[in-house]
Amino acid sequence: AQRVTQPEKLLSVFKGAPVELKCNYSYSGSPELFWYVQYSRQRLQLLLRHISRESIKGFTADLNKGETSFHLKKPFAQEEDSAMYYCALAEWSGSRLTFGEGTQLTVNP
Amino acid sequence: DGGITQSPKYLFRKEGQNVTLSCEQNLNHDAMYWYRQDPGQGLRLIYYSQIVNDFQKGDIAEGYSVSREKKESFPLTVTSAQKNPTAFYLCASSIGQLMNTEAFFGQGTRLTVV
Repeated sequence: AQRVTQPEKLLSVFKGAPVELKCNYSYSGSPELFWYVQYSRQRLQLLLRHISRESIKGFTADLNKGETSFHLKKPFAQEEDSAMYYCALAEWSGSRLTFGEGTQLTVNP
Repeated sequence: DGGITQSPKYLFRKEGQNVTLSCEQNLNHDAMYWYRQDPGQGLRLIYYSQIVNDFQKGDIAEGYSVSREKKESFPLTVTSAQKNPTAFYLCASSIGQLMNTEAFFGQGTRLTVV
């Protein structure tokens, strides 16, 4: 069965510092990976997906199949990045989305 | 205004009672999902439906039931068999397979058993 692990429940950085949110997965097939974000009082929404290889709001994520990781990175954190971040995996059939436990990011001024 | 609407926002239930959470979407999406969100556990899949009149159990389906009689509606019933129903429930939909598209989420329903 597929599994997504986010080892850090809480992450706190200062504005302008680099930030990395860790995500590891286990899946026997070829996964598609996503990062979803939930800002305060807003709906959970897609931040970025591996397949599109985009940089959204300065965030990037690289799929490392050898380490089965999909860490989210931003070189210079902003206060508005404070939110709950979820890593998610879609299985090959595309019918299910499995989420990690989430990481609460706080960017301090 | 297109999107997913969950109602009510807050729901209180007495022990032993069934309760139904509403989820409606006007995005013309084929697939719909129910997740349960608990602190420190992320989102766990309860049920999902890829097409009208068809649905599958997720990882934590025990004590829950669903129906998908209309494309735009996917109600979730929390039965008295659910041992720990107090939680935040999220409904989502997607236009197709999640490999190629994103899931759109509702604003959630917070259920409290009193």
